[in-house]
Amino acid sequence: GQNIDQPTEMTATEGAIVQINCTYQTSGFNGLFWYQQHAGEAPTFLSYNVLDGLEEKGRFSSFLSRSKGYSYLLLKELQMKDSASYLCAGMDSNYQLIWGAGTKLIIKP
Amino acid sequence: GAVVSQHPSRVICKSGTSVKIECRSLDFQATTMFWYRQFPKKSLMLMATSNEGSKATYEQGVEKDKFLINHASLTLSTLTVTSAHPEDSSFYICSARPGEGFYEQYFGPGTRLTVT
Repeated sequence: GQNIDQPTEMTATEGAIVQINCTYQTSGFNGLFWYQQHAGEAPTFLSYNVLDGLEEKGRFSSFLSRSKGYSYLLLKELQMKDSASYLCAGMDSNYQLIWGAGTKLIIKP
Repeated sequence: GAVVSQHPSRVICKSGTSVKIECRSLDFQATTMFWYRQFPKKSLMLMATSNEGSKATYEQGVEKDKFLINHASLTLSTLTVTSAHPEDSSFYICSARPGEGFYEQYFGPGTRLTVT
């Protein structure tokens, strides 16, 4: 079956770095997405990886290892506004997104 | 660019009535639109996928006669919740994908439905 696993909740300190891991099993693979979702709002796109390696975009970076079925989202210089849920989603061979349950990130001062 | 709107943002209705939610892609043509449902503190649950001009494909367990989806144009899809029940209360989110070769989905702001 298809499955996306990510931690339920993480806590980090303002100004620090946090890494949110995601492992995936999909029928075929057409890429891995990360979305940010603040409470009561719709998800917003953060990153898309289809090749192995690290993609850096400002304070956020995303990594993919296709052989390991593994990705992580790295957030640097954490700000209070980064408190949100982070959703990992794998795209299968039918271009359908398989969603993880999300990781709630709590930032403490 | 790539803005998706949803209307209404919040709606309260009585049991037994029907509610229509609109999803519009404002600055691009969306060949495919998706409808999701999200319960508190849970991830997105895909309800159905709709392609312009054809019938929607519903996920297992989603009643197509209860959740009517129409994708009549390349910029508009509607979800109608028929004969609403309190258990239909949820956060409904649509997303749109521009077309072939575009994998990213652009999300609307969501609609909070409360059935009393």
